[in-house]
Amino acid sequence: NAGVTQTPKFRVLKTGQSMTLLCAQDMNHEYMYWYRQDPGMGLRLIHYSVGEGTTAKGEVPDGYNVSRLKKQNFLLGLESAAPSQTSVYFCASSGTGRIYGYTFGSGTRLTVV
Amino acid sequence: KNEVEQSPQNLTAQEGEFITINCSYSVGISALHWLQQHPGGGIVSLFMLSSGKKKHGRLIATINIQEKHSSLHITASHPRDSAVYICALADNDMRFGAGTRLTVKP
Repeated sequence: NAGVTQTPKFRVLKTGQSMTLLCAQDMNHEYMYWYRQDPGMGLRLIHYSVGEGTTAKGEVPDGYNVSRLKKQNFLLGLESAAPSQTSVYFCASSGTGRIYGYTFGSGTRLTVV
Repeated sequence: KNEVEQSPQNLTAQEGEFITINCSYSVGISALHWLQQHPGGGIVSLFMLSSGKKKHGRLIATINIQEKHSSLHITASHPRDSAVYICALADNDMRFGAGTRLTVKP
């Protein structure tokens, strides 16, 4: 029972490079989320999706794009990485309606130099 | 002002002590979550509350909707309880507290 799987776990990028973080869940969850976690701050929502083919902006969407072409996958893209995007990124999923329990991925530590 | 305030920010306890972590919030919610994040970084959902009290092993979570306050208690604390505990509000969005870093010393 894998739950939520994030790849890669670690990545170092140079300023201006692009990359895609992959989140995959095997629980048939409708809702998927991308968060970033910075020291001394709570998790902040970047983008989320309420179903296949739909995405929406969260609290800190600038500099990121997302896609949900398949229900089980939620991709987070950085088109032109900046040092301010150095963070730990978490993906999560939940069943229909956000009041249901969340399952988190193990995180991706991204450093932009 | 942050919608979710946790206290204390840091907490050090001796093994066996009773621990209380508090969460106050300022908005209406559908439910409140308590999460645990271990030093390795993984986040685990401990409880989801919409009213009253829930218990799982040595962990107890309570919520008072009228006072907009929740507490997480750990009885007979153990070094393996050392982690960051995060309170999160679930409504149209999920908003997180900054977390309480708990260290339990043997």
